[in-house]
Amino acid sequence: NAGVTQTPKFQVLKTGQSMTLQCAQDMNHNSMYWYRQDPGMGLRLIYYSASEGTTDKGEVPNGYNVSRLNKREFSLRLESAAPSQTSVYFCASSREANYNEQFFGPGTRLTVL
Amino acid sequence: AQSVTQLGSHVSVSEGALVLLRCNYSSSVPPYLFWYVQYPNQGLQLLLKYTSAATLVKGINGFEAEFKKSETSFHLTKPSAHMSDAAEYFCAVNPGGGAQKLVFGQGTRLTINP
Repeated sequence: NAGVTQTPKFQVLKTGQSMTLQCAQDMNHNSMYWYRQDPGMGLRLIYYSASEGTTDKGEVPNGYNVSRLNKREFSLRLESAAPSQTSVYFCASSREANYNEQFFGPGTRLTVL
Repeated sequence: AQSVTQLGSHVSVSEGALVLLRCNYSSSVPPYLFWYVQYPNQGLQLLLKYTSAATLVKGINGFEAEFKKSETSFHLTKPSAHMSDAAEYFCAVNPGGGAQKLVFGQGTRLTINP
């Protein structure tokens, strides 16, 4: 089992460019999440998908879009990147029920110049 | 809104000393609580979780945490620090309800001095 995988690992963009971060999980989880991690702020939820075909906004959704392509894959798109989106992005997945932990990918380090 | 506060963004202890990382939460309903660890340039890994079965929860690598409802706390401890414990630690709360969302604290970076 690979768990949660993310591509790319690193990316540098210029302001205004677009890109898509890819995430896949092989644990047959229904729920998937995208977070951003910034120094001193912990992880903040951008979007989540409770099940295939549904997506909902998290705490910081502005400037992002998501697609739940199928049960395995959940992508995050930046349509017009801004320097404020420089961050480390983590994808996670979990089974249903609030007591279940989330499993995290290795992260994508994004720099927007 | 649910929130998590981790007291101390940096904690430094000597090897072999007690590790104590503090976490307080706000929740109007009994929460589910988690501690995660993040080693440099890696994702988050679950250390332990509280799901109301027992107030003292044991996790991996010798860590444990005690849920204290009266203090709204879930502090993480380890009796004897090891150099390999140097990492960032995150407390998180799932406030319940329909969605399995987590609210994270700001994180505490643990440094171990030889």
